[in-house]
Amino acid sequence: NAGVTQTPKFQVLKTGQSMTLQCAQDMNHEYMSWYRQDPGMGLRLIHYSVGAGITDQGEVPNGYNVSRSTTEDFPLRLLSAAPSQTSVYFCASSSAADTQYFGPGTRLTVL
Amino acid sequence: QQQVKQSPQSLIVQKGGISIINCAYENTAFDYFPWYQQFPGKGPALLIAIRPDVSEKKEGRFTISFNKSAKQFSLHIMDSQPGDSATYFCAAKGNTGFQKLVFGTGTRLLVSP
Repeated sequence: NAGVTQTPKFQVLKTGQSMTLQCAQDMNHEYMSWYRQDPGMGLRLIHYSVGAGITDQGEVPNGYNVSRSTTEDFPLRLLSAAPSQTSVYFCASSSAADTQYFGPGTRLTVL
Repeated sequence: QQQVKQSPQSLIVQKGGISIINCAYENTAFDYFPWYQQFPGKGPALLIAIRPDVSEKKEGRFTISFNKSAKQFSLHIMDSQPGDSATYFCAAKGNTGFQKLVFGTGTRLLVSP
């Protein structure tokens, strides 16, 4: 059981570039989420999904897109990267039992 | 508007001492209150959680105290060890389906040897 996996671990982008952060889970969890972590601000919810084909916005969705075509995968797309998107991104999954399991994170720098 | 306020921002405790981190919430619909532990370069991991039907929950050296009327909850780490040095986040969420988990801003704990 790998749990929640994220790729890449590190990424450097130039302003305006696009990229996709990958997230996968092998626990057959219904719910998946993306958070960003910034110093002094805790973790903030970007987007989440309650099942395949169903997504919704979190607290800070602007500049990010998501889709959920399978139960296992929940990629996060940055369409046109901005320096304000420099952050550490965490994917999480959970069942209805509340506990969210987090991946190891992707550290993104936008120049 | 921050719905979960956490303090202190950082904490230094001597080995063997008690570490105490406090959180306060505003939304009375919250009914699940987890604490997450995060080591540098890692994702947060669930440490302990409580529901408001009890005032205290203990797991090993970690205890959550919950005060529903004051809308406050706290994490106590007894006999703190250098290996407990990490960032701790409190969080809260509602009670049905997928309710968004709202995090505090985190407390960086350093336990000195």
